[in-house]
Amino acid sequence: SQQGEEDPQALSIQEGENATMNCSYKTSINNLQWYRQNSGRGLVHLILIRSNEREKHSGRLRVTLDTSKKSSSLLITASRAADTASYFCATGDDKIIFGKGTRLHILP
Amino acid sequence: EAQVTQNPRYLITVTGKKLTVTCSQNMNHEYMSWYRQDPGLGLRQIYYSMNVEVTDKGDVPEGYKVSRKEKRNFPLILESPSPNQTSLYFCASSLLTGTGSYGYTFGSGTRLTVV
Repeated sequence: SQQGEEDPQALSIQEGENATMNCSYKTSINNLQWYRQNSGRGLVHLILIRSNEREKHSGRLRVTLDTSKKSSSLLITASRAADTASYFCATGDDKIIFGKGTRLHILP
Repeated sequence: EAQVTQNPRYLITVTGKKLTVTCSQNMNHEYMSWYRQDPGLGLRQIYYSMNVEVTDKGDVPEGYKVSRKEKRNFPLILESPSPNQTSLYFCASSLLTGTGSYGYTFGSGTRLTVV
């Protein structure tokens, strides 16, 4: 199965700083998605980047995709307390596989 | 409001007692899927469906059944639940494009405890 692996597993930063999370995957993809999950709740779709795109923005989120390295990164700029959550990448077309996530904690 | 609705939110049951977790979406999505989430293991796909009457196994299908008789509904059936099926379950749905999913909409989750 294709699988994303997020790095780091956990990240704590001060409010206002930027947070960067990485995702690596194993096989070729058509798209890669990022999701956020607040504790124990359903995942929320953040952004989808297609294999022919290198960078995509949505508000304070910036996602990059490097298909040659089979990796993606999610950057959250000017972090806020409300950004505290787990972040997952997901790959696949029919069997969609999630990584184990990065737990982001924003310190006040 | 566009949403995926799972019921129940919480369920405690005993080993061997058949149960069904319902999932319904109102977005006319072709694709629906069930996941379980366990500490340290992340989300693992149980079953998915590309359209009505089409279902396929995910990574952890043992002990589960699904059906897709209507486009909007995708129930998860545990014929004989066991304690190792204690988990947080999510249903999700998505439109399909020629290059795969358009991005999932998730339900709020069902926390199942089997004693």
